[in-house]
Amino acid sequence: GQQLNQSPQSMFIQEGEDVSMNCTSSSIFNTWLWYKQDPGEGPVLLIALYKAGELTSNGRLTAQFGTTRKDSFLNISASIPSDVGIYFCAGAWGGATNKLIFGTGTLLAVQP
Amino acid sequence: NAGVTQTPKFRVLKTGQSMTLLCAQDMNHEYMYWYRQDPGMGLRLIHYSVGEGTTAKGEVPDGYNVSKKKKQNFLLGLESAAPSQTSVYFCASSGQPTNEKLFFGSGTQLSVL
Repeated sequence: GQQLNQSPQSMFIQEGEDVSMNCTSSSIFNTWLWYKQDPGEGPVLLIALYKAGELTSNGRLTAQFGTTRKDSFLNISASIPSDVGIYFCAGAWGGATNKLIFGTGTLLAVQP
Repeated sequence: NAGVTQTPKFRVLKTGQSMTLLCAQDMNHEYMYWYRQDPGMGLRLIHYSVGEGTTAKGEVPDGYNVSKKKKQNFLLGLESAAPSQTSVYFCASSGQPTNEKLFFGSGTQLSVL
């Protein structure tokens, strides 16, 4: 099945640093989503994007819907220890949740 | 604030054994989903439900069956477990059939020996 490629696979940073990660697809999507999974928990939706070029923020998190419709980016500013977790992108074409494709995940570790 | 509850949290099976994973949601959501999560791969959809009694296959349905007799519950069954079904299983629900507002349970870690 189709997968989304996330980069990097893992990041180990110091508290206070900014973080950037991205997600690429071979297909065009009309929806991009970013989820965070805390250790031992299920994913939680962070940001939803619906339009090419769209830039949306949620606190220290900012995500962008790539202009090619084949990629998306997530930035975290001034990281804190509770940012630790796995960040997943997800994309879809057509709007149906059953068509949602998830990325492979980026593991983020933040050292105090 | 229960949200989506999955039981059990952990289970170890021998090859060929059967088991049922239970998912319950208290948000009156119409749509429920079962995903599996494997290392290096994203979440993959196994089966989903679009309403009471109506289920459909996702991306990786083989070896699994589902049952949805009540709106709030969605059961995932393994009739004859195989080592390839070792995974973390997540249930999710949403109030609409479109993207975004998926609420996930905390997962079931299943090991098949």
